[in-house]
Amino acid sequence: GAGVSQSPRYKVTKRGQDVALRCDPISGHVSLYWYRQALGQGPEFLTYFNYEAQQDKSGLPNDRFSAERPEGSISTLTIQRTEQRDSAMYRCASSSLEGERNNEQFFGPGTRLTVL
Amino acid sequence: AQSVTQLDSQVPVFEEAPVELRCNYSSSVSVYLFWYVQYPNQGLQLLLKYLSGSTLVKGINGFEAEFNKSQTSFHLRKPSVHISDTAEYFCAVKANTGFQKLVFGTGTRLLVSP
Repeated sequence: GAGVSQSPRYKVTKRGQDVALRCDPISGHVSLYWYRQALGQGPEFLTYFNYEAQQDKSGLPNDRFSAERPEGSISTLTIQRTEQRDSAMYRCASSSLEGERNNEQFFGPGTRLTVL
Repeated sequence: AQSVTQLDSQVPVFEEAPVELRCNYSSSVSVYLFWYVQYPNQGLQLLLKYLSGSTLVKGINGFEAEFNKSQTSFHLRKPSVHISDTAEYFCAVKANTGFQKLVFGTGTRLLVSP
């Protein structure tokens, strides 16, 4: 079946604008993860959900970042009042098991965010 | 907390030559270990994982890795690479109890030339 999809694939915005990044996980997957990957670095954990419940948001850098998954499927990562340092690849992953039990995450292609 | 070190940022190799991509980790508790591959404009794909049991793990595309607890290493190997193996490879670790975040290394770019 279809893999994890993310939209938009590329987003260019001006400093101070809000952006919303969307993740559509594999159908039926119960856990969903957000990562941020700066150039030349590996992905860094931001937050994750089991179904619609946000279980861990310890990786969100500050209160301008938020995420939701209201119906336990599609998730949105929102960045308010964007800053140039927010420029990065934002990756989403999903898994068929809850976060406490899964050992394989399936990644989407990512959204490349550029803040001018 | 866990951490991962991939000392080689780039590894150039000729086609059909063997390759080893190095990964060392740090953790005060037992861990699971993973290698992911990232092709251009694609998402990360799991190559292989070590959860328990045999320390030699075989993955997709002819790759294998060996878990060495005493040296805290999980090096990735392939006896003969192809041009199509050109990609970025990430080693990752997570503690093996409850929910623990996946911690990635900085990646190694494998460049295979004819």
